[in-house]
Amino acid sequence: GNSVTQMEGPVTLSEEAFLTINCTYTATGYPSLFWYVQYPGEGLQLLLKATKADDKGSNKGFEATYRKETTSFHLEKGSVQVSDSAVYFCALPWGKLQFGAGTQVVVTP
Amino acid sequence: DAGVTQSPTHLIKTRGQQVTLRCSPKSGHDTVSWYQQALGQGPQFIFQYYEEEERQRGNFPDRFSGHQFPNYSSELNVNALLLGDSALYLCASSLGTVAMNTEAFFGQGTRLTVV
Repeated sequence: GNSVTQMEGPVTLSEEAFLTINCTYTATGYPSLFWYVQYPGEGLQLLLKATKADDKGSNKGFEATYRKETTSFHLEKGSVQVSDSAVYFCALPWGKLQFGAGTQVVVTP
Repeated sequence: DAGVTQSPTHLIKTRGQQVTLRCSPKSGHDTVSWYQQALGQGPQFIFQYYEEEERQRGNFPDRFSGHQFPNYSSELNVNALLLGDSALYLCASSLGTVAMNTEAFFGQGTRLTVV
């Protein structure tokens, strides 16, 4: 079946550090891939998406590239800020959105 | 353009009671999905409504039921509440049922606490 696996957290970083959150997927066909972000006490917001292989989604300094050969969609940001502290979810749509377990990111000043 | 709105934002209920949560989809969207997010976990799919019918259902008991109205808004009902039903309930709307490329927009959620 379709599924998403993402790295466990929490990930603790200092401000301006480089962030990578790994996400791999299993899917039939080639669905779009999404990263959602959940700030403390809030719902989910779409952070970025990619709709086909080799597509790069980007938003707010975050990037993720749809890699068909490695079935991955890793999230990266070159220089994190304290305001990036949140839980990040990788997801794929297939009748319903399938989410990874989420990765909590904590950025300290 | 209003996004997805949910009400109420917080709710406290007693075990055995019934609860109704409400969701208005983003303007132009016709499909509503409900998710349960327990503390520290990812959202779990409950069900999806399109054209006023339940189209898909996740692994949730019949105590969880829903409804979609002609204006596309939706309700989630939970009967005979258990302590384990305490969670953040998220509503997501989309245009059409969630297919390979469908983008869903989420509301802020309703935090349900069962005591």
